[in-house]
Amino acid sequence: DAKTTQPPSMDCAEGRAANLPCNHSTISGNEYVYWYRQIHSQGPQYIIHGLKNNETNEMASLIITEDRKSSTLILPHATLRDTAVYYCIVRVPRGYGGSQGNLIFGKGTKLSVKP
Amino acid sequence: SQTIHQWPATLVQPVGSPLSLECTVEGTSNPNLYWYRQAAGRGLQLLFYSVGIGQISSEVPQNLSASRPQDRQFILSSKKLLLSDSGFYLCAWSVRSAHSGNTIYFGEGSWLTVV
Repeated sequence: DAKTTQPPSMDCAEGRAANLPCNHSTISGNEYVYWYRQIHSQGPQYIIHGLKNNETNEMASLIITEDRKSSTLILPHATLRDTAVYYCIVRVPRGYGGSQGNLIFGKGTKLSVKP
Repeated sequence: SQTIHQWPATLVQPVGSPLSLECTVEGTSNPNLYWYRQAAGRGLQLLFYSVGIGQISSEVPQNLSASRPQDRQFILSSKKLLLSDSGFYLCAWSVRSAHSGNTIYFGEGSWLTVV
């Protein structure tokens, strides 16, 4: 699975949009971009994923560049509860068999939402 | 909706003692199940995954073992704990499907301290 690069930390004002960038310049054609977040002492929480099109769900939006070498996670109205470490991962989501579960979590971006 | 639970949430065990962490998934059938370990300040390491009852694959050689006695139950065990076994253990599941976009969902995690 390809590796990703994220800034180590970011601040965001409460109520503002948080834009978290991720570089994945070596992504291959069948790899998806996934975003998770982890609040201290809890398990990672799935946020969103995509292949090439932009995606939106109730938590966030995912913008993937046309060349797929980078992406941005957008939290449209950040709250204090969004303070967490955000991980960008690229992987081939094999349905079954093989060594399919490997999630190479890097160090992520520590997002601090401030009042 | 699907839920995943693991327990105990925290435990402190002496070196050489046995370990048993349990995980159950509700609201789905035939899931893929995973055990991960997250050492302090580091990413997730896949320890075991299972595609069915009694089917366990190990990703790394170690002092731990896993079992899947029932479709939605996954157990992480050790006969004799080592200090290096300390860490944050996460159970996870995904749908067993040939479709792409297969997302992995995590439990709450179990903090193990070996003393």
